[in-house]
Amino acid sequence: GESVGLHLPTLSVQEGDNSIINCAYSNSASDYFIWYKQESGKGPQFIIDIRSNMDKRQGQRVTVLLNKTVKHLSLQIAATQPGDSAVYFCAENIPNSGYSTLTFGKGTMLLVSP
Amino acid sequence: NAGVTQTPKFQVLKTGQSMTLQCAQDMNHEYMSWYRQDPGMGLRLIHYSVGAGITDQGEVPNGYNVSRSTTEDFPLRLLSAAPSQTSVYFCASSYSARGTGTEAFFGQGTRLTVV
Repeated sequence: GESVGLHLPTLSVQEGDNSIINCAYSNSASDYFIWYKQESGKGPQFIIDIRSNMDKRQGQRVTVLLNKTVKHLSLQIAATQPGDSAVYFCAENIPNSGYSTLTFGKGTMLLVSP
Repeated sequence: NAGVTQTPKFQVLKTGQSMTLQCAQDMNHEYMSWYRQDPGMGLRLIHYSVGAGITDQGEVPNGYNVSRSTTEDFPLRLLSAAPSQTSVYFCASSYSARGTGTEAFFGQGTRLTVV
């Protein structure tokens, strides 16, 4: 079957470079945001999250920045490694009558060359 | 822990056939959901459940049914398969249906082809 990676924006970097993956979200009421990594043939895996009352959060080699004014989210990966090659999705949590639903972006493919 | 388990991993159906995609989680999560993933479309929500006995529609529910009789299981039924339902299906679960508990844990996916 056709790979989910086709038709996606692609970021190509060299091993050791820093990578920045961007995401525009849609709903100003979204209160929580998550970045996921999806390797070929696998389900998405949680990387890092951020609440809407924060503008920056750091993890191990990853940083998420949130700009609510322009509804923009970015994921920074420091010292990118070949194992970071994957499709990256942002997701926004939209509160809805007490329950929430996650809405995903279309994804960005990251290709890391040794 | 097994986390979220989906079966089968691969399936080929003929147009008009019905089948059930199985999903089970062992984390005692309140919230479960089904997504489909198509090239260039990201993940789209089909149905979700905020607890046993409670289900609701997502963005693309047509052609699919769900039920949630236990906390652990959330099967997705295709009533009469169509080629447009060829996709990769992911089941996910979350600790909570509210706020920051909604981080979703995903299964490995079911790749479905309808011919």
